[in-house]
Amino acid sequence: NAGVTQTPKFRILKIGQSMTLQCTQDMNHNYMYWYRQDPGMGLKLIYYSVGAGITDKGEVPNGYNVSRSTTEDFPLRLELAAPSQTSVYFCASKGTESNQPQHFGDGTRLSIL
Amino acid sequence: GNSVTQMEGPVTLSEEAFLTINCTYTATGYPSLFWYVQYPGEGLQLLLKATKADDKGSNKGFEATYRKETTSFHLEKGSVQVSDSAVYFCALSGFHTGTASKLTFGTGTRLQVML
Repeated sequence: NAGVTQTPKFRILKIGQSMTLQCTQDMNHNYMYWYRQDPGMGLKLIYYSVGAGITDKGEVPNGYNVSRSTTEDFPLRLELAAPSQTSVYFCASKGTESNQPQHFGDGTRLSIL
Repeated sequence: GNSVTQMEGPVTLSEEAFLTINCTYTATGYPSLFWYVQYPGEGLQLLLKATKADDKGSNKGFEATYRKETTSFHLEKGSVQVSDSAVYFCALSGFHTGTASKLTFGTGTRLQVML
C-alpha cells in the first residue's frame, strides 16, 4: 500500500548544483503535482501533469523542470540550485474524477547552502 | 482567481476543549472544499471534504459544512485530544474542466493541544 513515494527525504545542496527529486505513485493516477511548502506560506504549485507526456506550469515554476514519461513517475529537476529553493517539496497524485482528493507523499526537505 | 483565507495560528487549546478553525474562500462556480492535516514530519493527509453547497464533511470527530452563502468551510471538533496537534490546511479545487483539479491552499493553522 505504497501510495505516493518521494526520494530522497533530505538533501543538502551547494549553490549551483543540480539534482532530481523523484516521485512515483502506484495508484494508476493520471494527475500528478509538485508543490513547495515554505514556512507560513502554505503550499504553492510548481508544475503539474494530466498524463504521460503532458506537463504544465503552476504558480512558481521558475528554476524547475519536470518530465512525465510514464504514468507512475513525475521527477522534478533543479538545474542550478539557489538559496531561494530551500523548501520542503511535496508530490501528489489524483484520479480523474473531479471530487477525488489528492494523495501526498511524505516530502523532501531540501537545503541549498 | 481562486483564494483561501484561514485564521492565523497557532491555536493553543486544552484537551477536551472545543475547536473552530475558520476558512473562507473566493472562487468562481462551485468548487470542492477540503481540509487536509499535516502531522510533524509527514505529508498532507485528507481529513474531510465537501463537494457541494450544504454538504457536511466529517471524519475522526472533525466536521465542516460547505456554506455557499458565506463562502465558508469552518473546521470544528467538539473535544480535541493531544494527538490532534498538527497543522490544518483548508483547500479548494476548481470547478471548471481543464483545471486538472488544481488545489488552492490556505496558509495553514497550527493547532497545539495541551494536557
